[in-house]
Amino acid sequence: KNQVEQSPQSLIILEGKNCTLQCNYTVSPFSNLRWYKQDTGRGPVSLTIMTFSENTKSNGRYTATLDADTKQSSLHITASQLSDSASYICVVSLNNAGNMLTFGGGTRLMVKP
Amino acid sequence: GAGVSQTPSNKVTEKGKYVELRCDPISGHTALYWYRQSLGQGPEFLIYFQGTGAADDSGLPNDRFFAVRPEGSVSTLKIQRTERGDSAVYLCASSPGATYEQFFGPGTRLTVL
Repeated sequence: KNQVEQSPQSLIILEGKNCTLQCNYTVSPFSNLRWYKQDTGRGPVSLTIMTFSENTKSNGRYTATLDADTKQSSLHITASQLSDSASYICVVSLNNAGNMLTFGGGTRLMVKP
Repeated sequence: GAGVSQTPSNKVTEKGKYVELRCDPISGHTALYWYRQSLGQGPEFLIYFQGTGAADDSGLPNDRFFAVRPEGSVSTLKIQRTERGDSAVYLCASSPGATYEQFFGPGTRLTVL
């Protein structure tokens, strides 16, 4: 069964600190991997999309890495802000069609002042 | 223009009742997706429309669930004989085409008592 596992399930950090969220997947074949940010009560918003040939992609203070050989991805958040408090969801696509997305359970991040 | 909108934002109903959830996609987006998200979990795919037709409804859990998109724009997710296990946030997303980035709505929180 295709799966996307994320760790940790939840994380609390102090404002200004860095953190790294992990994503392991068994989805095959693999087309692209996405990280989404989901604020409470809102829909997910895309942060990064990486194809299997890309190793890293940045979006402001967010940097995603991908190792397609080990089927692992990480999302690094630098100099965290209170507004970073949200759930971060790793999503793997079997192909380029939007109906073949497999979502991870998410990591709930809380940034405290 | 406006993003994806969903109504109602919250719906409370009694077991056995019928409910309709509405999604207004971004204007011009041909692809529309419905997902279901349980508390603390990532979204699960339900159904995907390309234009007016359901291109993939493999995620619908059973025949109590049905969705339409008669004019290729607004979509309605219909749930018959609701059960307590149907309680979840129902997310809608749209994209310019099947292989493009998806934009999510805020979701409808359905509670079945």
